[in-house]
Amino acid sequence: SQQGEEDPQALSIQEGENATMNCSYKTSINNLQWYRQNSGRGLVHLILIRSNEREKHSGRLRVTLDTSKKSSSLLITASRAADTASYFCATADRGSTLGRLYFGRGTQLTVWP
Amino acid sequence: IAGITQAPTSQILAAGRRMTLRCTQDMRHNAMYWYRQDLGLGLRLIHYSNTAGTTGKGEVPDGYSVSRANTDDFPLTLASAVPSQTSVYFCASSDQGTGGITFFGQGTRLTVV
Repeated sequence: SQQGEEDPQALSIQEGENATMNCSYKTSINNLQWYRQNSGRGLVHLILIRSNEREKHSGRLRVTLDTSKKSSSLLITASRAADTASYFCATADRGSTLGRLYFGRGTQLTVWP
Repeated sequence: IAGITQAPTSQILAAGRRMTLRCTQDMRHNAMYWYRQDLGLGLRLIHYSNTAGTTGKGEVPDGYSVSRANTDDFPLTLASAVPSQTSVYFCASSDQGTGGITFFGQGTRLTVV
């Protein structure tokens, strides 16, 4: 399977703490993306990091990419109850069909008030 | 609001029946996709279309067909539904102009009994 794999499968933290989710993948990629899914809703794009980038920030989000280890991490700082959702990494393979993404199984994040 | 509209939102379908899931986008994206999401398996690509008039098979195409008569619409048809097609189906779109970011509809929850 070309799917990425997120770790952990589930994460439970208190408000104000940082949440770190990891993603490993198998192929050579063009970019790696993180998406968020609230319960019963569609996926929403959070951040994209290209294969020639190592770190990227967006608000309280920090993403790192290590192409030598084929891994990425998503850090959410100062988490809030509203951050409770499932988070998915998705890879766009080098040379693959435009926009086609391979998704991991996701990390369920619960942030307690 | 621009985006992707899926219909129906949910459906209970008798096994053996034919069903078409509708998807319309108003962002003029070239590429469109159908994913299914199953617990523990993440999102898997069923079919995709890089541009109007062309379609391709994803990871799990069996039992499904698609058409792309124009840019905006990308219906997914189950010719003869089976219980294993019980899932949440997401339509998505992307374009070179989105830089690889994929936009998702709200999903159709399908139960085949």
